Amino acid sequence: QLQVQESGPGLVKPSETLSLTCIVSGGSISSYTYYWGWIRQPPGKGLEYIGTIYYSGTTYYNPSLKSRVSISVDTSKNQFSLHLSSVTAADTAVYYCAVNTAATGPNDAFDIWGQGTMVTVSS
Amino acid sequence: EIVMTQFPATLSVSPGERATLSCRASQSVTSNLAWYQQRPGQAPRLLIYGASTRATGIPARFSGSGSGTEFTLTISTLQSEDFAVYYCQQYNKWPTFGQGTKVEIK
Repeated sequence: QLQVQESGPGLVKPSETLSLTCIVSGGSISSYTYYWGWIRQPPGKGLEYIGTIYYSGTTYYNPSLKSRVSISVDTSKNQFSLHLSSVTAADTAVYYCAVNTAATGPNDAFDIWGQGTMVTVSS
Repeated sequence: EIVMTQFPATLSVSPGERATLSCRASQSVTSNLAWYQQRPGQAPRLLIYGASTRATGIPARFSGSGSGTEFTLTISTLQSEDFAVYYCQQYNKWPTFGQGTKVEIK
């Protein structure tokens, strides 16, 4: 069945760009029914939506992060990526990639989640 | 931004009892509301979408209700594996989450 798995560095320096990849297995990232998303969770805190991408490349971002966020899709590698620029300690969090398989649009529940990857911003 | 408020922050319940969790939206989200369960060290798991529809594989003891701005998640008979943190999420506009309700053993 469809699965997603995050990968990327666990430590990023302040002011640099955080880059993570979500590897998709058990299904195609080019499926017209799926929307691919990123959500993060600071230690001991709640969940924050980062953004969503469709296989066509159309993106939807959290307005509060929009100026620093870029999400892209690589259909040849069946994966999608998150780039968050100018990071600070406030960006330290567990980052999850997730899938909305409902085919209703970018705004929906995420029914499949990766296990998450911890990213620490520190010099 | 639609602000989601969950209450109580912590709910102490004995195994076998009923748990009722609440979620309020700062404006109407119609029925575009989901509930997630998060156990320690794990990713969130979708329980309910469309305010009242159970996701695939979710036991019948979990039920959701409400529309507009007021929503409820009920766990009819708490099992040991149900002690966790629960989040609501609206998706009427770009998604936002509540701050969570921790269900702990009384």
